Amino acid sequence: KQEVTQIPAALSVPEGENLVLNCSFTDSAIYNLQWFRQDPGKGLTSLLLIQSSQREQTSGRLNASLDKSSGRSTLYIAASQPGDSATYLCAVPRTDSWGKLQFGAGTQVVVTP
Amino acid sequence: SAVISQKPSRDICQRGTSLTIQCQVDSQVTMMFWYRQQPGQSLTLIATANQGSEATYESGFVIDKFPISRPNLTFSTLTVSNMSPEDSSIYLCSVQSGTNEKLFFGSGTQLSVL
Repeated sequence: KQEVTQIPAALSVPEGENLVLNCSFTDSAIYNLQWFRQDPGKGLTSLLLIQSSQREQTSGRLNASLDKSSGRSTLYIAASQPGDSATYLCAVPRTDSWGKLQFGAGTQVVVTP
Repeated sequence: SAVISQKPSRDICQRGTSLTIQCQVDSQVTMMFWYRQQPGQSLTLIATANQGSEATYESGFVIDKFPISRPNLTFSTLTVSNMSPEDSSIYLCSVQSGTNEKLFFGSGTQLSVL
């Protein structure tokens, strides 16, 4: 069974610093990996999706890398801002259905002004 | 991308009552998914809602507790029945849009059971 782990569980940085969030998964036979943002008490916003054939995906200040062989993905957020404060979740599709996701527990990020 | 409207956004309910959560999508989708996020936890899949057939439930979730309707390709409801404080969670619906493989989520329903 696929297991998804996110480290650290929580992270606090001053504004302007770069953020590095880690995600690991036990079964490397994944189709893709998706990063989400969740604000307190709210739903999820999709940030980036990396296909299994890709090593990197970028959107603005966000960059996600994927190393299937080692079972790892990293989300980089450059020049963090207080508005980046949220919980960040990574997820991979289950093998029985692409629509069913296995989520990590998330990394709670606080960016202090 | 898909735009999902989910309501109510939050509710406070009494033990033993039921709440129905609605999810409306701006385009036709084959499958809709319902997730639960208990306090401090990550998301757990409850069931897959298929149009024209019964929902498929994950291990640990049963139809009597979480009945689901899917009357058409843009709408679904999840009912949380006979609620107890342990049902206090955020409930989210999700769809996979086209061939993009990205999943999109509704804004969630934050449920508190007293």
